[in-house]
Amino acid sequence: GAGVSQTPSNKVTEKGKYVELRCDPISGHTALYWYRQSLGQGPEFLIYFQGTGAADDSGLPNDRFFAVRPEGSVSTLKIQRTERGDSAVYLCASSLGPDSSHGYTFGSGTRLTVV
Amino acid sequence: DQQVKQNSPSLSVQEGRISILNCDYTNSMFDYFLWYKKYPAEGPTFLISISSIKDKNEDGRFTVFLNKSAKHLSLHIVPSQPGDSAVYFCAASAGGATNKLIFGTGTLLAVQP
Repeated sequence: GAGVSQTPSNKVTEKGKYVELRCDPISGHTALYWYRQSLGQGPEFLIYFQGTGAADDSGLPNDRFFAVRPEGSVSTLKIQRTERGDSAVYLCASSLGPDSSHGYTFGSGTRLTVV
Repeated sequence: DQQVKQNSPSLSVQEGRISILNCDYTNSMFDYFLWYKKYPAEGPTFLISISSIKDKNEDGRFTVFLNKSAKHLSLHIVPSQPGDSAVYFCAASAGGATNKLIFGTGTLLAVQP
């Protein structure tokens, strides 16, 4: 596709439930990133993939969060036992390689609301 | 611990005038800096970047200035246009790679016609 696609655009879930957020990067982009943006804050790094492997997952807040990219393209961010504090916009981005002087291309995000 | 700070949550400027958005950082290991623009319900869009080996980078109406000794950078937009109204985020990375960006909290710019 022409841009980074994220689905769903909005997700409302009950506390304690499991959710999956999907990201389709730009075709050919080997690097993929997940960020989280809470209200009034800037995006906060979660995890970075180079190809299929997670090259840096230091931003994942705890073991309830997990992300995969099995074929080096689509990625899924998985959140177990959701809490109200997980409510945020989850942003995915991709770039041609890991060292992009032109920054990444972000998707429009998935707004997650935990009630 | 906020390593990248944008102390002005909002800025209002008249169309045609200069907009100056400021950003301060604390981590001396940062060596690459970027500015992103964000419209409501959209993801951030890359605007302009600067390496720590430079003190200025210009792209059309947008210029970024870096003062390493002060750990300060600024984005100048001139002339400002109503379509520039958006939230502007400053971001920084370390180690020569941009695979992990640290963002500021953003400044909402309103350009009045």
